[in-house]
Amino acid sequence: DQQVKQNSPSLSVQEGRISILNCDYTNSMFDYFLWYKKYPAEGPTFLISISSIKDKNEDGRFTVFLNKSAKHLSLHIVPSQPGDSAVYFCAASEFNSGNTGKLIFGQGTTLQVKP
Amino acid sequence: DTAVSQTPKYLVTQMGNDKSIKCEQNLGHDTMYWYKQDSKKFLKIMFSYNNKELIINETVPNRFSPKSPDKAHLNLHINSLELGDSAVYFCASSQESLTPKAQYFGPGTRLLVL
Repeated sequence: DQQVKQNSPSLSVQEGRISILNCDYTNSMFDYFLWYKKYPAEGPTFLISISSIKDKNEDGRFTVFLNKSAKHLSLHIVPSQPGDSAVYFCAASEFNSGNTGKLIFGQGTTLQVKP
Repeated sequence: DTAVSQTPKYLVTQMGNDKSIKCEQNLGHDTMYWYKQDSKKFLKIMFSYNNKELIINETVPNRFSPKSPDKAHLNLHINSLELGDSAVYFCASSQESLTPKAQYFGPGTRLLVL
């Protein structure tokens, strides 16, 4: 049973435009969400996170939005750059329930930013 | 000055063999993890250790045995390797007291069992 889902396996965007990556979850106990970026043959790299007490967190070109009622989060990258081309993973955790450290990952979305 | 390092990067071996993967972190973190990324690209947690103590042990065959000699190291030993063990294994570390509560990953070990 996949508790975190990224339903779009791939996304292609023109350089300079906005990239929107989506993630849905089913477990209402999740209270902390993270986005990771992964290049081929490398480990995932932490990008940005958000606690369930917030609905938005911004860091430079990256913004994560959380809609708790819809159990949905999204990552916005603006403007998109060719170097952003990678696989993006959404992850969730129940930090306040004591399941510290157990991240549940989505299956990833491959973003291609075309020059 | 790699933060989380793993050795070896690639491992090709025969079914039935025993192999180990090593992980070291120089971030001063107190918690370390092993994840498996299977052929469908799902990343799933296997184990975590906090200050050398086993915290998370997911449903993993007991052929897999983690060992943490100290806070900075977490090794994974696999006995009697099977074809289905072929995957990429990632080590990660984190510090509970820090914000954001992120885990930092190593480059992965690509295991192929023939």
